Amino acid sequence: GENVEQHPSTLSVQEGDSAVIKCTYSDSASNYFPWYKQELGKRPQLIIDIRSNVGEKKDQRIAVTLNKTAKHFSLHITETQPEDSAVYFCAALTGGGNKLTFGTGTQLKVEL
Amino acid sequence: KAGVTQTPRYLIKTRGQQVTLSCSPISGHRSVSWYQQTPGQGLQFLFEYFSETQRNKGNFPGRFSGRQFSNSRSEMNVSTLELGDSALYLCASSETPGGLAPLHFGNGTRLTVT
Repeated sequence: GENVEQHPSTLSVQEGDSAVIKCTYSDSASNYFPWYKQELGKRPQLIIDIRSNVGEKKDQRIAVTLNKTAKHFSLHITETQPEDSAVYFCAALTGGGNKLTFGTGTQLKVEL
Repeated sequence: KAGVTQTPRYLIKTRGQQVTLSCSPISGHRSVSWYQQTPGQGLQFLFEYFSETQRNKGNFPGRFSGRQFSNSRSEMNVSTLELGDSALYLCASSETPGGLAPLHFGNGTRLTVT
């Protein structure tokens, strides 16, 4: 069945360092990969997404890369700031393009 | 525009009872999806409704059901509650169904089953 694995489950970095979160998916037909950020006590919000016809996408300090052959995609955050502390969820459009399957989340903590 | 509204915010129920959760989508959004969020399990898809029809369903038992009304508001029902049903239930609305459009989440309903 459809599966999205996400690593690591927790990540602690120093302010200003980079953070990388990796996800792998099982459905080779998946063609859309969004990332959601959930701050403590708040709702998840879309921060960036990538489609399968693109290998990389950037938006200021965040970027997402996609390797279709290996079926994995990653979120990169550069120059991390305390406000980047949150849970990050990757997702893949699976089931013949019918639903989003989410990873289990990564708790990112940016320490001063 | 007002965001996605979920009611109630908190619920405490006893095993065996049933519960109904409500979700009002962003105005103009006709797709509503429901997710269960638990520590370590992330966001697990329950079902999606579009134009009052269930488009897709996740791997949850039949105790979990939902519906959507003509004004796009949606309800989720859980019958014969079990302790393991304790979770944050999030609904999300989007302009189009199927997951390609951004999901706009509500604040969730925190369900505790004792």
